Amino acid sequence: GQQLNQSPQSMFIQEGEDVSMNCTSSSIFNTWLWYKQDPGEGPVLLIALYKAGELTSNGRLTAQFGITRKDSFLNISASIPSDVGIYFCAGQLGGGTSYGKLTFGQGTILTVHP
Amino acid sequence: SAVISQKPSRDICQRGTSLTIQCQVDSQVTMMFWYRQQPGQSLTLIATANQGSEATYESGFVIDKFPISRPNLTFSTLTVSNMSPEDSSIYLCSVDGTSGPSDTQYFGPGTRLTVL
Repeated sequence: GQQLNQSPQSMFIQEGEDVSMNCTSSSIFNTWLWYKQDPGEGPVLLIALYKAGELTSNGRLTAQFGITRKDSFLNISASIPSDVGIYFCAGQLGGGTSYGKLTFGQGTILTVHP
Repeated sequence: SAVISQKPSRDICQRGTSLTIQCQVDSQVTMMFWYRQQPGQSLTLIATANQGSEATYESGFVIDKFPISRPNLTFSTLTVSNMSPEDSSIYLCSVDGTSGPSDTQYFGPGTRLTVL
């Protein structure tokens, strides 16, 4: 099956710094999704990407769908303490028997020091 | 996005027993999914639950261990049967968003299961 490699596994940054994380795949995806999970909660959707090359922003968050459809990155600018959490990328093939099935990356644990 | 609730939010169970987890959505959705998140790990899809048909299970998951019901377009249950400590995980349901071939998914808050 598809494998998603997400990096880095963890990040320790100072408040105000920018953050970048990425996911790469051995297979092509039609949709890339980025989620954030707080302790004891379910993942919350941050950004959805549907088209190769697409660059989408949501406040301080920016994500891009790689042109090869095998990778995506998420940037967080001017980090704040509430950005702390685990960030997951997820890819979806879409269509046929793969419709709706998400493959998740391993997650990036973000710690922000005030 | 849909509002999704799960019951129970957490439970501690004895080995060999079964637990049924409920997932309720505030609007009708076509597809519902069940995921497992083992401690410190990422999410793994267990099965896809469509109303009016049997659930479709992913490799490594079987119906006898994880029976699923989908009686209508707003509700689904996942049962974890004959539990062992290895079943200790967070179980999450998710639903698809608006119609479309490449869509988003929204997750419930999860059920944290500990098996002793």
